[in-house]
Amino acid sequence: LAKTTQPISMDSYEGQEVNITCSHNNIATNDYITWYQQFPSQGPRFIIQGYKTKVTNEVASLFIPADRKSSTLSLPRVSLSDTAVYYCLVALKAAGNKLTFGGGTRVLVKP
Amino acid sequence: GAVVSQHPSWVICKSGTSVKIECRSLDFQATTMFWYRQFPKQSLMLMATSNEGSKATYEQGVEKDKFLINHASLTLSTLTVTSAHPEDSSFYICSAWRDSNQPQHFGDGTRLSIL
Repeated sequence: LAKTTQPISMDSYEGQEVNITCSHNNIATNDYITWYQQFPSQGPRFIIQGYKTKVTNEVASLFIPADRKSSTLSLPRVSLSDTAVYYCLVALKAAGNKLTFGGGTRVLVKP
Repeated sequence: GAVVSQHPSWVICKSGTSVKIECRSLDFQATTMFWYRQFPKQSLMLMATSNEGSKATYEQGVEKDKFLINHASLTLSTLTVTSAHPEDSSFYICSAWRDSNQPQHFGDGTRLSIL
């Protein structure tokens, strides 16, 4: 399973855009990149998943360069409720594949 | 809404007690579920893969006789912490996958406190 590296923590302010970059130098050809959000005492919540280029949904965008050795999660106009830990994972998209969680990035949104 | 349900959400019990945690996939069948453990301020650690109709696959260092997993149906996996001790106190989380085009979905976890 590919190892991921992401910043331990980031601070931001309400209304700003938050970009979290994750490195995954050993990503395999068939691996997908998935981001989860976790609040204290809750299970992780799926945010977005992608394979290459750019993926956008109603809550975030995911930018993946051509070499796929990194990815950037972009959260537009964050609010206080976006304060959480964000995990970047790479794994086969196929069902039943194990997910290995790294340390995650603690994002603190300030008023 | 939630696609994976865990029960109970928290439990406090005495040392030596066995505790069962349920993980249910809602409105879909899950042939594979996963169990994680998370200590305060730490990341999730995969404990085992629960396979419907067969034995669970445990990660290295996880005692299979301590953490019994039963996946008796396509919508239910259970984790039983046998003869629990204070060091077993943790946050236990399960996940399930709906189909090959969907990411894994996680339950809201079970906070286990052993006194």
